[in-house]
Amino acid sequence: GDQVEQSPSALSLHEGTGSALRCNFTTTMRAVQWFQQNSRGSLINLFYLASGTKENGRLKSTFNSKESYSTLHIRDAQLEDSGTYFCAAEAGGNEKITFGAGTKLTIKP
Amino acid sequence: DMKVTQMPRYLIKRMGENVLLECGQDMSHETMYWYRQDPGLGLQLIYISYDVDSNSEGDIPKGYRVSRKKREHFSLILDSAKTNQTSVYFCAVDRGLRAEQFFGPGTRLTVL
Repeated sequence: GDQVEQSPSALSLHEGTGSALRCNFTTTMRAVQWFQQNSRGSLINLFYLASGTKENGRLKSTFNSKESYSTLHIRDAQLEDSGTYFCAAEAGGNEKITFGAGTKLTIKP
Repeated sequence: DMKVTQMPRYLIKRMGENVLLECGQDMSHETMYWYRQDPGLGLQLIYISYDVDSNSEGDIPKGYRVSRKKREHFSLILDSAKTNQTSVYFCAVDRGLRAEQFFGPGTRLTVL
């Protein structure tokens, strides 16, 4: 079965608001990455976490390996935040990562 | 920052033709990957290369093969392309000791 369950599948926000995206894991993961795929299709690295919380500007991500989830919080959303956000997690040992199906985020003026 | 390149960026082929997709990195990292992405799906792993001539199947290797003769270059080959191999193909590089991957810009392949 799927090891990485990402939610919601789609999300619409008004500029200036915020929300959270989530990934649940069905097996113990060693680390998680978050990517933004922009309108040109490029995959942009947002975060890599082996544990804890990281913050970068208006984005913050948390990885709780014991409870098998990771979150990505966006605050004060801007139009350029639109895109599809993917989490990808590594179960450990073989350098493979498994992707979630993505959250399509639309920011409205 | 590391740069991952892919050539070509767009490619149209007919069913049965051979396809060669190239990936390059400007460092000398060991582990490289090929993925495909289809609409509404995340990325699916085709092959991993752990170093020169050290390649391993990913989750969907059927219909593909790879070649890594230099650490900086990793090629994906489709012998006799099929229409269901129409997709966007991404190459990635693992930067170091942990599985943190950096992606190339992608190649959009259409097989008619």
